[in-house]
Amino acid sequence: DIQMTQSPSSVSASVGDRVTITCRASQDISTWLAWYQQKPGKAPKLLISAASSLQGGVPSRFGGSGSGTDFTLTISNLQPEDFATYYCQQANTLSPTFGQGTKVEIK
Amino acid sequence: EVQLLESGGGLVQPGGSLRLSCAASGFPFRNYAMSWVRQAPGKGLEWVSAMSGTSDPYYSDSLRGRFTISRDNSQNTVYLQIHSLSAEDTAVYYCAKDHVSGNGKIDYFDSWGQGTLVTVSS
Repeated sequence: DIQMTQSPSSVSASVGDRVTITCRASQDISTWLAWYQQKPGKAPKLLISAASSLQGGVPSRFGGSGSGTDFTLTISNLQPEDFATYYCQQANTLSPTFGQGTKVEIK
Repeated sequence: EVQLLESGGGLVQPGGSLRLSCAASGFPFRNYAMSWVRQAPGKGLEWVSAMSGTSDPYYSDSLRGRFTISRDNSQNTVYLQIHSLSAEDTAVYYCAKDHVSGNGKIDYFDSWGQGTLVTVSS
């Protein structure tokens, strides 16, 4: 299986801050990467597919970039509703794998 | 509107078996691969299994052997049978719809059910 490593595991930030989360794949996955947001007690929500394609209805303050093994999720102008846990997921193989998650907490 | 509704979870004794169901609506079910993803309490997401629209099964390498996925396209339902349950299988089990139809991949998951909790305990 391809291993996905996210950093940091948690980050404390304030409303209006810019937050960057990184995801590293153990091998080249081209741009076969998604980002999800999960709030407590809820199912994950797909934010970004194909490394940088924003899903419909997702605010433009979310952005994704990267290819190969290194990827980034950036949240600009953090809003109260953005405090959640974020996961990356690779879809390069027929055995998808997730990163361990990054919790964005209120400072 | 896409809707996914899981059922079949509950309290099971170690060594037991369980069949989870996911009833889908709001999209051409037979055209999409469907996956099961689980989340242990306080832990991250773990992909378990998927089945293509043409019923090709795929399993996590680390979990292969105790899980059997199936689907009934006439009932718009996907199933996950779990055997020889242990405490490590305690988790919320989500079913999830693939983002793109018929591309031969298990790619991204654009719709999720609310999950069904499986608790393995004596």
